[in-house]
Amino acid sequence: QVTLRESGPALVKPTQTLTLTCTFSGFSLSTSGMCVSWIRQPPGKALEWLARIDWDDDKYYSTSLKTRLTISKDTSKNQVVLTMTNMDPVDTATYYCARSTLTGPFDYWGQGTLVTVSS
Amino acid sequence: QSALTQPRSVSGSPGQSVTISCTGTSSDVGGYNYVSWYQQHPGKAPKLMIYDVSKRPSGVPDRFSGSKSGNTASLTISGLQAEDEADYYCCSYAGSYTLDVVFGGGTKLTVL
Repeated sequence: QVTLRESGPALVKPTQTLTLTCTFSGFSLSTSGMCVSWIRQPPGKALEWLARIDWDDDKYYSTSLKTRLTISKDTSKNQVVLTMTNMDPVDTATYYCARSTLTGPFDYWGQGTLVTVSS
Repeated sequence: QSALTQPRSVSGSPGQSVTISCTGTSSDVGGYNYVSWYQQHPGKAPKLMIYDVSKRPSGVPDRFSGSKSGNTASLTISGLQAEDEADYYCCSYAGSYTLDVVFGGGTKLTVL
């Protein structure tokens, strides 16, 4: 059974760096073709893809946010970490991690974690 | 990369069919057969309903179907049921020399 769970702070201040962890089970990120992405959703708004890390450690970022994002993995711990620098109130959103394959869809999602940016 | 264009809302009565469109460009929807659709109930994570334009994951009713013509993809839900009321998002691969993924703005489906 595949599960993913996001964890991190519920509240961050403007200009701070956000660090989120996705802990997963039921698959291995060392398996060829496996990928984990981060996707966010501001309250009442649409989904936005942020970043992806692949089994071979290839990393991809949203063009509009790539200067602020870093994605990494710890295969032994079954974790993927996303950092986002210089947080702003417009970054307030529910952040999801999701599994996919190279060209496949996001077939399993975490429950999401709401991050509020406020002073 | 701009978001894909979806109607803000659609509605239908139980038993009817509805179609949700998703319009992109030749750089995303029109350029790849990697369009997927997600259903999201309030307060819940999105659920995969259609992938690779028209394929259904195991467990998704065959009332849900997908298609594509040019730069526009469509999700059709036939035999509407009350539990189909949700937000629906399309998604497309948009990479050229690097990966990018773009979502639609979402469509609220109301079952009357």
